[in-house]
Amino acid sequence: GNSVTQMEGPVTLSEEAFLTINCTYTATGYPSLFWYVQYPGEGLQLLLKATKADDKGSNKGFEATYRKETTSFHLEKGSVQVSDSAVYFCALSDQDGNQFYFGTGTSLTVIP
Amino acid sequence: GAVVSQHPSWVICKSGTSVKIECRSLDFQATTMFWYRQFPKQSLMLMATSNEGSKATYEQGVEKDKFLINHASLTLSTLTVTSAHPEDSSFYICSAPKGRASYNEQFFGPGTRLTVL
Repeated sequence: GNSVTQMEGPVTLSEEAFLTINCTYTATGYPSLFWYVQYPGEGLQLLLKATKADDKGSNKGFEATYRKETTSFHLEKGSVQVSDSAVYFCALSDQDGNQFYFGTGTSLTVIP
Repeated sequence: GAVVSQHPSWVICKSGTSVKIECRSLDFQATTMFWYRQFPKQSLMLMATSNEGSKATYEQGVEKDKFLINHASLTLSTLTVTSAHPEDSSFYICSAPKGRASYNEQFFGPGTRLTVL
């Protein structure tokens, strides 16, 4: 079946450090892949997405590339800020858009 | 974007009482809404799909008599936790897709924290 495996946290980084949060998936066909972010006290927000292999999603300095050969969609940011502190969820939608799966979430804390 | 609200944001109730949580799409119509449950330090678990004008679709293992869902209009879905018990304490989140009913463009509400004493 379909599933998403996400790097466990929590992750603590200093401001301006490089961030990688790993996400791998299991799915048949060609799923769509997403990163959602949940800031403290707020609801989930779509951060970025990619709908086909080799697509790169990007937003707010974050990037993730849909790698079908490695079934991965790792989230990266070159220089994190304190305001990036949040919980990040990797998610997958099957190719028909009928099933949606979340990873377990990775808590990121950025310290000044 | 699109805005989805939830009310209340936090509720505490006594064991045995029922609690209603509202999910509203504020600036768009949603024929479908999704209800999730989030446990501490865990991911979201899809509970059910709310469909305007028809019965909700529940995921396996979710008690439909326990979690009553009503999609009253194109902008409102309600989740009622009946005869709540402490194990029902959780963070409940709704989402609504804008446009074609699919998971691809979901907009999430801020969540409702339920604490059952």
